[in-house]
Amino acid sequence: DVKVTQSSRYLVKRTGEKVFLECVQDMDHENMFWYRQDPGLGLRLIYFSYDVKMKEKGDIPEGYSVSREKKERFSLILESASTNQTSMYLCASSYVDSYEQYFGPGTRLTVT
Amino acid sequence: AQKVTQAQTEISVVEKEDVTLDCVYETRDTTYYLFWYKQPPSGELVFLIRRNSFDEQNEISGRYSWNFQKSTSSFNFTITASQVVDSAVYFCALSEETGTASKLTFGTGTRLQVTL
Repeated sequence: DVKVTQSSRYLVKRTGEKVFLECVQDMDHENMFWYRQDPGLGLRLIYFSYDVKMKEKGDIPEGYSVSREKKERFSLILESASTNQTSMYLCASSYVDSYEQYFGPGTRLTVT
Repeated sequence: AQKVTQAQTEISVVEKEDVTLDCVYETRDTTYYLFWYKQPPSGELVFLIRRNSFDEQNEISGRYSWNFQKSTSSFNFTITASQVVDSAVYFCALSEETGTASKLTFGTGTRLQVTL
């Protein structure tokens, strides 16, 4: 069974804080993705990674950065959290030639 | 550019009714894949089906069926005899080949509420 885990289900941070969201997958997938989900906007891709230390911007990368030091782990970083980054964050992974993505349970982040 | 449109924001039905969720897509790719995912209240997206652009056969899996029509760029999802456990947000998605990774473009989702 593919397992994608995210470090927290719920997180509350203050404006200006540096925030780390962690994602780990146990299926040796090459690709990993970070999305945010907002009502009425669906899932929007923030960043993705196709290999260790390799990353590409998605559709809404502003205000975010990522890190992939190990194949199984993909971190999303909010350098200075702002209230408009309050959202549900979803991590996903897939094999290199597969479009089928496996999702984690999500982290609901509130920035106050 | 890739685009997926799910025009129905929210649908409410009574248990045992049939319901169809619409999905219309735009792509310039000649080979592509379409997906449906289910997001129950727990939050985790669950894969339901993948369809490639060369296979226009309809598919049925229990109470679920999918109608892929390339001529109208649609990939609709029907639940027959809906149940309360079908209540969820459903997302349609379209593949996009970037050269580095295989990405998905998601629609905005349709929230299905099934009541007794």
